[in-house]
Amino acid sequence: SYELTQPPSVSVSPGQTARITCSGDDLPKKYAYWYRQKSGQAPVLVIFQDNKRPSGIPERFSGSSSGTMAALTISGAQLEDEGDYYCFSSDSSGNHRIFGGGTKLTVL
Amino acid sequence: EVQLLESGGDLVQPGGSLRLSCAASGFTFRRSAMSWVRQAPGKGLEWISSISDSGDNTYYADSVKGRFTFSRDNSRNTVSLQMNSLSAEDTAVYYCARISSGDYYFDKWGQGTLVTVSS
Repeated sequence: SYELTQPPSVSVSPGQTARITCSGDDLPKKYAYWYRQKSGQAPVLVIFQDNKRPSGIPERFSGSSSGTMAALTISGAQLEDEGDYYCFSSDSSGNHRIFGGGTKLTVL
Repeated sequence: EVQLLESGGDLVQPGGSLRLSCAASGFTFRRSAMSWVRQAPGKGLEWISSISDSGDNTYYADSVKGRFTFSRDNSRNTVSLQMNSLSAEDTAVYYCARISSGDYYFDKWGQGTLVTVSS
């Protein structure tokens, strides 16, 4: 079955750049999305269609995708950016959605 | 304001059944495809099922196919998830989510309802 692979954890100091990657065989054909989830809360969309920011998401969040790899970059990470980040996409049919395993971002 | 309110989560024995519901408001429900996403304790997000706006098409993850049934009632603005043959692996918070129009991601989420499968 189709999988999206993320690193389990990323750690940066405040003000540094955090980069979280997501690999998947269908990413050349399908957009990647990124959600952030804080403990006990529903996920929040931070990037859609590879590189677009929803309203209300700070400009320090950006996304990119090339070949089978998508990436979320947080330029100048803040303490409030800590949380679990999930990449999301679909299989080639568009009918089955899939999440990556999640990456825990620590800013300290 | 868009709202999704899940209900029906409970403690159920292995092999048992449970029905979850999600009441939607604040948008034109009959024009929106919907999904269920779950999250086991301490684990990641898992998409489990989607349903088209009309209810004519449903899709399931392999982990629940044949055991779960996703349905909707557009006259009542609700979706339901009938879960049968439950096992401990189905223990999770179950989120109801709206699929963004013209796309396949989830743009609105409920707060979730907890299903615990245990004897």
